[in-house]
Amino acid sequence: QKEVEQDPGPLSVPEGAIVSLNCTYSNSAFQYFMWYRQYSRKGPELLMYTYSSGNKEDGRFTAQVDKSSKYISLFIRDSQPSDSATYLCAFHKTGFQKLVFGTGTRLLVSP
Amino acid sequence: DSGVTQTPKHLITATGQRVTLRCSPRSGDLSVYWYQQSLDQGLQFLIQYYNGEERAKGNILERFSAQQFPDLHSELNLSSLELGDSALYFCASGPRTGSQETQYFGPGTRLLVL
Repeated sequence: QKEVEQDPGPLSVPEGAIVSLNCTYSNSAFQYFMWYRQYSRKGPELLMYTYSSGNKEDGRFTAQVDKSSKYISLFIRDSQPSDSATYLCAFHKTGFQKLVFGTGTRLLVSP
Repeated sequence: DSGVTQTPKHLITATGQRVTLRCSPRSGDLSVYWYQQSLDQGLQFLIQYYNGEERAKGNILERFSAQQFPDLHSELNLSSLELGDSALYFCASGPRTGSQETQYFGPGTRLLVL
């Protein structure tokens, strides 16, 4: 079983839609949860960083963590064509700096 | 702009050759991480350095090595290159080790081995 499962997509939505991106993980030692956005041929850019279960909001982005289900989500409200990118979930354990990434979900937002 | 710089942006070389990738972390960051991103494997952690010392190793081949210099820049050396080493190589930096921290990625070096 992979440590992290993420649907590769592509996920195609019209501009203005609410987007839901998800990852499941199997390692209960993961304590830190991140979402990165990666545009084509660019480095991953940190979007959201959370520690505990619950929701964290930043502008149009909301990160949700459910540790009991080992499931994390990223919601994007009022999606824009500029949100078209690959979204990577990432995890690490306390005291261990290595990030474990999902394979990424490609999102396409059409005008 | 994350503040992490990587050179070169692109590298084209032949099998059996050796290349060096360079990374400068964000100002004030002591940790440098190297990752490899290929189409079939996704982003894979290779190695971490903290203030000049190796701190963690991931899926790094014996043909690959890295170091971090006193000015905190880091180099990743890839030798005896094979076709399968073609990938994007990213460097990330972070402020300290042993605690929660975020990692900020550079723009990457795209390596093509022919």
